[in-house]
Amino acid sequence: GESVGLHLPTLSVQEGDNSIINCAYSNSASDYFIWYKQESGKGPQFIIDIRSNMDKRQGQRVTVLLNKTVKHLSLQIAATQPGDSAVYFCAENRPGGGNKLTFGTGTQLKVEL
Amino acid sequence: EAQVTQNPRYLITVTGKKLTVTCSQNMNHEYMSWYRQDPGLGLRQIYYSMNVEVTDKGDVPEGYKVSRKEKRNFPLILESPSPNQTSLYFCASSPGQGRTQYFGPGTRLLVL
Repeated sequence: GESVGLHLPTLSVQEGDNSIINCAYSNSASDYFIWYKQESGKGPQFIIDIRSNMDKRQGQRVTVLLNKTVKHLSLQIAATQPGDSAVYFCAENRPGGGNKLTFGTGTQLKVEL
Repeated sequence: EAQVTQNPRYLITVTGKKLTVTCSQNMNHEYMSWYRQDPGLGLRQIYYSMNVEVTDKGDVPEGYKVSRKEKRNFPLILESPSPNQTSLYFCASSPGQGRTQYFGPGTRLLVL
């Protein structure tokens, strides 16, 4: 079936290092992708998005890369900080279907001091 | 402050007792949606609404109802809650299709 998945359930990094969180998607018709951050006890918070006509988008300390050939999405966080510790979800939006987002199960990012 | 609010944040109830979780957004968004989050299953869409009086089923609609009488409100109704509806529920809103969805803080529901 169609799914959005993640390669690693938990990622531990040292403070100051760069983090890379990966995501695989299976629906080649998906045209919009979003990364969310979810801290304990809170709702998902928008980080960055990218449309399928792009392969890279940068924000503040974050970069999203999209490889449509292999249906792969990644989130890069530069100079990871303790406040970045959270669960990160990728989500894909399929055209039509009422703007439904399909989420992966999430990657737990742990920043070690 | 632009936000999505949900009430209550925590709720313990018993099987069969009807309940409503409210959701409200102040961003004039057309699109609203309800998700449930369960360990190992991620976020799954229950129902969504493209605009006032327009609602449709998501991936897991069984046991839930919604209504959209006003643009800002999108309540989730459990007519006869069952223990398998114990979960963390999130409401989200978006300016429209293919646009970013913004989430509320969540409602943790326990059905005994």
